[in-house]
Amino acid sequence: DGGITQSPKYLFRKEGQNVTLSCEQNLNHDAMYWYRQDPGQGLRLIYYSQIVNDFQKGDIAEGYSVSREKKESFPLTVTSAQKNPTAFYLCASSIADLPVEQYFGPGTRLTVT
Amino acid sequence: KQEVTQIPAALSVPEGENLVLNCSFTDSAIYNLQWFRQDPGKGLTSLLLIQSSQREQTSGRLNASLDKSSGRSTLYIAASQPGDSATYLCAVTPETSGSRLTFGEGTQLTVNP
Repeated sequence: DGGITQSPKYLFRKEGQNVTLSCEQNLNHDAMYWYRQDPGQGLRLIYYSQIVNDFQKGDIAEGYSVSREKKESFPLTVTSAQKNPTAFYLCASSIADLPVEQYFGPGTRLTVT
Repeated sequence: KQEVTQIPAALSVPEGENLVLNCSFTDSAIYNLQWFRQDPGKGLTSLLLIQSSQREQTSGRLNASLDKSSGRSTLYIAASQPGDSATYLCAVTPETSGSRLTFGEGTQLTVNP
């Protein structure tokens, strides 16, 4: 089955620790995205990647970092510099950096205490 | 800067009722508008995508309309069912953004049996 997987589903960390969220897709999509969702709010774009070895900041990139070494993988690191890291994180992909449909993973809920 | 607003924030209806969810956006220069469904703690499922040149799209009991010039879209759900209970999000792709989506905050729908 083609799709996007995110792991883990739930993640708990202590304040001050970096944590990496996994996102893998087997849709052969060039573009991938990371969004953050807070309760009662829409999604906000953190980072996106149009192609392997390239990525751009979204609207709320501060305190986050990404890499895109393989087409199918786009991990997100939440660093200790992110002031309010507790949130629901969603990964998405699309066939290209074009205005086409985006496909979303099931999300990772990160709780930092 | 593009802003997307969804009204109402929450809606509770009895089963069988026809209902309308509203989405408005401030800049009419968009490629398309998408409606998504999100179940609690889950990722997003794309329901309908309307290109800027289209007026409406239909899928089963769902009908989405787009009035680009006035910056409005509606999602019509016919004969609502308890299984329709979810949060519905709309998102636009601004013409200046390639593939980047701007999301509304969502409408939380509850259909009571």
